[in-house]
Amino acid sequence: AQSVTQLDSQVPVFEEAPVELRCNYSSSVSVYLFWYVQYPNQGLQLLLKYLSGSTLVKGINGFEAEFNKSQTSFHLRKPSVHISDTAEYFCAVSDIGLTGGGNKLTFGTGTQLKVEL
Amino acid sequence: GAVVSQHPSWVICKSGTSVKIECRSLDFQATTMFWYRQFPKQSLMLMATSNEGSKATYEQGVEKDKFLINHASLTLSTLTVTSAHPEDSSFYICSARGQGAVGNTIYFGEGSWLTVV
Repeated sequence: AQSVTQLDSQVPVFEEAPVELRCNYSSSVSVYLFWYVQYPNQGLQLLLKYLSGSTLVKGINGFEAEFNKSQTSFHLRKPSVHISDTAEYFCAVSDIGLTGGGNKLTFGTGTQLKVEL
Repeated sequence: GAVVSQHPSWVICKSGTSVKIECRSLDFQATTMFWYRQFPKQSLMLMATSNEGSKATYEQGVEKDKFLINHASLTLSTLTVTSAHPEDSSFYICSARGQGAVGNTIYFGEGSWLTVV
């Protein structure tokens, strides 16, 4: 079984400032890691994912995340945020599964990013 | 990219009635679909996993007789909330995982708001 911890429920930040949203996971097996963004009253949109290879993953909208196996972390970063980045961000993990196709996702509780002028 | 569509995007029903939500993968074959439930300002909770042509696997605490899931084809899964009650009001989101070129990425639908009055 896996678990995901997002330590910050809310992160306020000024526009054009950098931001880091923290995510730690727990699993006894190898995992895939994901970050999703949810805008108000909408579904989830994939920001980025780590499957294998380079531990630094670049996603859409200027976001990136770094997989740190020793610290079991997958923190999301953006060097300069915009008002339009205001949304809920979910970190998720899935085990690799028997066929390598990945299994069900386990989500963190989410972090509300609020970008202010 | 791959698209998953949910219908309806919102529905209001009377207590005691049943409502069906559809989840379609529009441009890929989804061997596995997942149904999640999200309460306001909370994370997504997996309800069940459905594989095409077989019975859905429900998570602990989810009533399979109340939340009927059918995955009759590789592009369509349905969730039927039977004898709905106000406490079933929630945001329901499906996701789909393809095979082959789509790889390990899981794509989410836009979600369906259910309000039971």
